[in-house]
Amino acid sequence: GIQVEQSPPDLILQEGANSTLRCNFSDSVNNLQWFHQNPWGQLINLFYIPSGTKQNGRLSATTVATERYSLLYISSSQTTDSGVYFCAVAHRGSTLGRLYFGRGTQLTVWP
Amino acid sequence: SQTIHQWPATLVQPVGSPLSLECTVEGTSNPNLYWYRQAAGRGLQLLFYSVGIGQISSEVPQNLSASRPQDRQFILSSKKLLLSDSGFYLCAWTRMDTEAFFGQGTRLTVV
Repeated sequence: GIQVEQSPPDLILQEGANSTLRCNFSDSVNNLQWFHQNPWGQLINLFYIPSGTKQNGRLSATTVATERYSLLYISSSQTTDSGVYFCAVAHRGSTLGRLYFGRGTQLTVWP
Repeated sequence: SQTIHQWPATLVQPVGSPLSLECTVEGTSNPNLYWYRQAAGRGLQLLFYSVGIGQISSEVPQNLSASRPQDRQFILSSKKLLLSDSGFYLCAWTRMDTEAFFGQGTRLTVV
Protein backbone atom coordinates (compact mmCIF):
# COMPACT_ATOMS: atom_id res chain seq x y z
CA GLY A 1 0.00 0.00 0.00
CA ILE A 2 0.86 3.67 0.02
CA GLN A 3 2.75 5.20 2.94
CA VAL A 4 1.16 8.37 4.28
CA GLU A 5 3.06 10.55 6.73
CA GLN A 6 1.54 13.52 8.50
CA SER A 7 3.34 16.22 10.39
CA PRO A 8 3.42 17.51 12.99
CA PRO A 9 1.84 14.77 15.11
CA ASP A 10 0.72 17.31 17.69
CA LEU A 11 0.12 21.04 17.45
CA ILE A 12 -0.90 23.45 20.20
CA LEU A 13 -2.01 26.95 19.26
CA GLN A 14 -3.44 30.07 20.78
CA GLU A 15 -6.80 31.14 19.35
CA GLY A 16 -6.26 33.39 16.35
CA ALA A 17 -3.00 31.78 15.23
CA ASN A 18 -2.39 30.28 11.80
CA SER A 19 -1.09 26.76 11.13
CA THR A 20 0.06 24.47 8.35
CA LEU A 21 -0.38 20.70 8.40
CA ARG A 22 1.57 18.55 5.98
CA CYS A 23 0.86 15.19 4.34
CA ASN A 24 3.49 13.27 2.36
CA PHE A 25 2.60 10.16 0.36
CA SER A 26 4.74 7.58 -1.34
CA ASP A 27 3.02 6.86 -4.70
CA SER A 28 0.74 8.30 -7.39
CA VAL A 29 -2.80 8.92 -6.19
CA ASN A 30 -6.23 9.50 -7.68
CA ASN A 31 -7.79 10.67 -4.43
CA LEU A 32 -6.58 12.77 -1.55
CA GLN A 33 -8.91 13.85 1.19
CA TRP A 34 -8.52 15.88 4.37
CA PHE A 35 -10.79 15.05 7.29
CA HIS A 36 -11.43 16.52 10.71
CA GLN A 37 -12.35 13.97 13.38
CA ASN A 38 -14.61 15.57 15.95
CA PRO A 39 -14.68 14.59 19.65
CA TRP A 40 -17.44 12.06 18.93
CA GLY A 41 -15.26 10.31 16.37
CA GLN A 42 -17.09 11.37 13.24
CA LEU A 43 -14.96 12.12 10.20
CA ILE A 44 -15.93 15.44 8.68
CA ASN A 45 -14.94 15.97 5.05
CA LEU A 46 -12.82 19.07 4.63
CA PHE A 47 -11.38 18.76 1.13
CA TYR A 48 -11.28 16.37 -1.79
CA ILE A 49 -8.09 17.54 -3.44
CA PRO A 50 -6.03 15.06 -5.51
CA SER A 51 -4.33 18.09 -7.10
CA GLY A 52 -4.49 21.87 -7.08
CA THR A 53 -5.70 24.37 -4.49
CA LYS A 54 -9.06 24.84 -2.79
CA GLN A 55 -10.37 27.19 -0.15
CA ASN A 56 -13.32 26.97 2.20
CA GLY A 57 -13.61 29.85 4.62
CA ARG A 58 -10.65 29.87 6.99
CA LEU A 59 -9.36 26.59 5.61
CA SER A 60 -7.46 26.00 2.43
CA ALA A 61 -5.52 23.09 0.96
CA THR A 62 -2.93 22.57 -1.73
CA THR A 63 -1.81 19.28 -3.27
CA VAL A 64 1.29 19.02 -5.44
CA ALA A 65 0.77 15.55 -6.86
CA THR A 66 4.04 15.47 -8.80
CA GLU A 67 5.96 16.05 -5.56
CA ARG A 68 3.65 13.83 -3.51
CA TYR A 69 2.57 16.16 -0.76
CA SER A 70 -0.42 18.13 0.40
CA LEU A 71 -0.77 21.03 2.82
CA LEU A 72 -3.75 22.08 4.91
CA TYR A 73 -3.81 25.69 6.09
CA ILE A 74 -5.90 26.87 9.00
CA SER A 75 -6.07 30.61 9.51
CA SER A 76 -7.33 32.51 12.55
CA SER A 77 -7.79 29.26 14.45
CA GLN A 78 -10.71 28.85 16.85
CA THR A 79 -11.24 26.48 19.77
CA THR A 80 -13.75 24.58 17.65
CA ASP A 81 -10.91 23.68 15.26
CA SER A 82 -9.49 21.35 17.90
CA GLY A 83 -9.43 17.66 17.06
CA VAL A 84 -7.51 15.27 14.87
CA TYR A 85 -6.87 16.08 11.22
CA PHE A 86 -6.37 13.18 8.85
CA CYS A 87 -4.98 12.98 5.37
CA ALA A 88 -6.03 9.94 3.30
CA VAL A 89 -5.09 8.85 -0.21
CA ALA A 90 -6.09 6.20 -2.74
CA HIS A 91 -3.76 4.61 -5.28
CA ARG A 92 -4.04 5.76 -8.87
CA GLY A 93 -6.21 3.18 -10.62
CA SER A 94 -7.93 2.13 -7.41
CA THR A 95 -11.50 2.87 -6.33
CA LEU A 96 -11.62 6.26 -4.64
CA GLY A 97 -12.71 4.87 -1.29
CA ARG A 98 -9.80 2.46 -0.84
CA LEU A 99 -8.05 4.99 1.35
CA TYR A 100 -4.76 4.83 3.19
CA PHE A 101 -4.73 7.11 6.21
CA GLY A 102 -1.94 8.93 7.93
CA ARG A 103 -1.73 8.85 11.71
CA GLY A 104 -3.18 12.32 11.96
CA THR A 105 -2.28 15.65 13.53
CA GLN A 106 -3.79 16.32 16.95
CA LEU A 107 -4.63 20.04 17.04
CA THR A 108 -5.42 21.80 20.30
CA VAL A 109 -6.50 25.43 20.20
CA TRP A 110 -6.53 27.32 23.50
CA PRO A 111 -8.69 30.40 24.12
CA SER B 1 -28.89 14.31 -0.80
CA GLN B 2 -27.03 11.21 0.23
CA THR B 3 -26.79 10.06 3.82
CA ILE B 4 -25.13 7.13 5.51
CA HIS B 5 -26.40 5.49 8.68
CA GLN B 6 -24.59 3.22 11.08
CA TRP B 7 -25.87 1.48 14.17
CA PRO B 8 -25.51 0.93 16.97
CA ALA B 9 -23.41 3.90 18.08
CA THR B 10 -21.84 2.01 20.97
CA LEU B 11 -21.68 -1.65 21.84
CA VAL B 12 -20.20 -3.65 24.70
CA GLN B 13 -19.92 -7.35 24.00
CA PRO B 14 -18.34 -10.28 25.88
CA VAL B 15 -15.51 -12.26 24.39
CA GLY B 16 -16.85 -15.12 22.28
CA SER B 17 -20.18 -13.46 21.49
CA PRO B 18 -21.35 -12.77 17.90
CA LEU B 19 -21.33 -9.35 16.27
CA SER B 20 -23.46 -7.65 13.64
CA LEU B 21 -22.97 -4.01 12.65
CA GLU B 22 -25.15 -2.50 9.97
CA CYS B 23 -24.59 0.33 7.54
CA THR B 24 -27.07 1.72 5.03
CA VAL B 25 -26.79 4.46 2.45
CA GLU B 26 -29.70 6.58 1.23
CA GLY B 27 -30.06 8.81 -1.78
CA THR B 28 -27.78 6.98 -4.19
CA SER B 29 -27.61 3.71 -6.09
CA ASN B 30 -24.76 1.29 -6.81
CA PRO B 31 -22.42 2.80 -4.23
CA ASN B 32 -19.06 1.32 -3.35
CA LEU B 33 -19.15 0.50 0.35
CA TYR B 34 -16.32 0.19 2.86
CA TRP B 35 -15.68 -0.87 6.46
CA TYR B 36 -12.79 0.76 8.30
CA ARG B 37 -11.48 0.25 11.83
CA GLN B 38 -9.74 2.76 14.02
CA ALA B 39 -7.87 0.98 16.81
CA ALA B 40 -6.06 2.58 19.73
CA GLY B 41 -3.96 5.42 18.39
CA ARG B 42 -5.24 7.35 15.43
CA GLY B 43 -4.90 5.56 12.11
CA LEU B 44 -7.80 4.05 10.19
CA GLN B 45 -7.41 0.77 8.35
CA LEU B 46 -9.60 -0.55 5.56
CA LEU B 47 -11.11 -3.95 6.44
CA PHE B 48 -13.54 -4.71 3.60
CA TYR B 49 -14.96 -3.09 0.53
CA SER B 50 -17.75 -3.97 -1.87
CA VAL B 51 -18.49 -2.78 -5.41
CA GLY B 52 -21.84 -4.59 -5.67
CA ILE B 53 -24.34 -6.98 -4.10
CA GLY B 54 -22.61 -10.13 -2.91
CA GLN B 55 -19.15 -8.83 -3.89
CA ILE B 56 -16.79 -8.52 -0.93
CA SER B 57 -13.05 -7.90 -0.90
CA SER B 58 -11.05 -8.35 2.27
CA GLU B 59 -8.04 -6.15 2.85
CA VAL B 60 -6.60 -7.77 5.96
CA PRO B 61 -6.91 -11.25 7.49
CA GLN B 62 -8.96 -11.15 10.64
CA ASN B 63 -11.75 -12.52 12.77
CA LEU B 64 -14.43 -10.52 10.95
CA SER B 65 -16.50 -10.96 7.81
CA ALA B 66 -18.67 -8.68 5.70
CA SER B 67 -21.78 -9.13 3.59
CA ARG B 68 -23.80 -7.00 1.20
CA PRO B 69 -27.29 -8.45 0.96
CA GLN B 70 -28.79 -5.36 -0.71
CA ASP B 71 -27.46 -2.57 -2.92
CA ARG B 72 -27.26 0.00 -0.13
CA GLN B 73 -26.68 -2.25 2.88
CA PHE B 74 -23.33 -3.41 4.23
CA ILE B 75 -22.98 -5.64 7.30
CA LEU B 76 -19.92 -6.40 9.41
CA SER B 77 -20.06 -9.65 11.39
CA SER B 78 -18.18 -11.97 13.64
CA LYS B 79 -19.10 -15.40 14.97
CA LYS B 80 -16.92 -15.08 18.08
CA LEU B 81 -15.46 -11.76 19.20
CA LEU B 82 -11.91 -11.42 20.48
CA LEU B 83 -10.56 -8.75 22.80
CA SER B 84 -8.49 -7.47 19.87
CA ASP B 85 -11.69 -6.71 17.93
CA SER B 86 -12.33 -3.70 20.15
CA GLY B 87 -12.18 -0.42 18.29
CA PHE B 88 -14.09 2.22 16.40
CA TYR B 89 -15.72 0.93 13.21
CA LEU B 90 -16.69 3.27 10.42
CA CYS B 91 -18.63 2.61 7.27
CA ALA B 92 -18.04 4.71 4.14
CA TRP B 93 -19.41 5.05 0.61
CA THR B 94 -18.28 6.40 -2.73
CA ARG B 95 -19.47 6.49 -6.29
CA MET B 96 -16.99 6.14 -9.13
CA ASP B 97 -16.45 9.85 -9.32
CA THR B 98 -17.02 11.04 -5.76
CA GLU B 99 -14.99 11.38 -2.62
CA ALA B 100 -15.54 9.09 0.36
CA PHE B 101 -18.14 9.94 3.00
CA PHE B 102 -18.19 8.28 6.40
CA GLY B 103 -20.90 7.28 8.83
CA GLN B 104 -20.87 8.27 12.47
CA GLY B 105 -19.17 5.07 13.58
CA THR B 106 -19.73 2.30 16.12
CA ARG B 107 -17.55 2.13 19.20
CA LEU B 108 -17.13 -1.56 20.08
CA THR B 109 -15.70 -2.70 23.40
CA VAL B 110 -15.10 -6.40 23.85
CA VAL B 111 -14.88 -7.38 27.54
